[in-house]
Amino acid sequence: QVKLLQSGAALVKPGASVKMSCKASGYTFTDYWVSWVKQSHGKSLEWIGEIYPNSGATNFNEKFKGKATLTVDKSTSTAYMELSRLTSEDSAIYYCTRGDYWGQGVMVTVSS
Amino acid sequence: DVVLTQTPPTLSATIGQSVSISCRSSQSLLHSNGNTYLHWLLQRPGQSPQLLIYLVSRLESGVPNRFSGSGSGTDFTLKISGVEAEDLGVYYCVQGTHAPWTFGGGTKLELK
Repeated sequence: QVKLLQSGAALVKPGASVKMSCKASGYTFTDYWVSWVKQSHGKSLEWIGEIYPNSGATNFNEKFKGKATLTVDKSTSTAYMELSRLTSEDSAIYYCTRGDYWGQGVMVTVSS
Repeated sequence: DVVLTQTPPTLSATIGQSVSISCRSSQSLLHSNGNTYLHWLLQRPGQSPQLLIYLVSRLESGVPNRFSGSGSGTDFTLKISGVEAEDLGVYYCVQGTHAPWTFGGGTKLELK
């Protein structure tokens, strides 16, 4: 069955970067776009961007350009998102999703 | 960006009651290819979102048929015909017709 398994929670200092992973299984990884979504505490959802594993093509929400970098490793069917220059506003849960399937989320806490 | 406005923000229901959630878009979600990329998600407490309905009215595999979606253009509705305890959580509409994807603010379904 389709699964998206995300990496564990992260506690990072302001100004630092964090890289999280999303390992896909149960389907052909290169056939589907993978999106990343942010959910700030108690709030709604924001689409960050997407990547097509087959080509590495990406599309971003303008709000997250320069903040998020999306990559993939086709050999391990894993998508990655790196967030840079972190501030308290980046503290949130981050999900990867194929649209119909969602990962379990990664909680990122930015604190000194 | 497209703004999706969900009403009501909170919905109190008894088991067995039928309820509806509205999602109104700031612009038409009819894509030039003829599809309308309006979908509904449920996020149960402490869980990731899950897809319930896609393309306005298509039921995702495994989702009970007490859920139904309707609408066109800018006005959409999710109906639950006979609420069950497992339906409690926050419902989101999401559009993928216009970049970037955007989400409604959510409707929290709770027990009366």
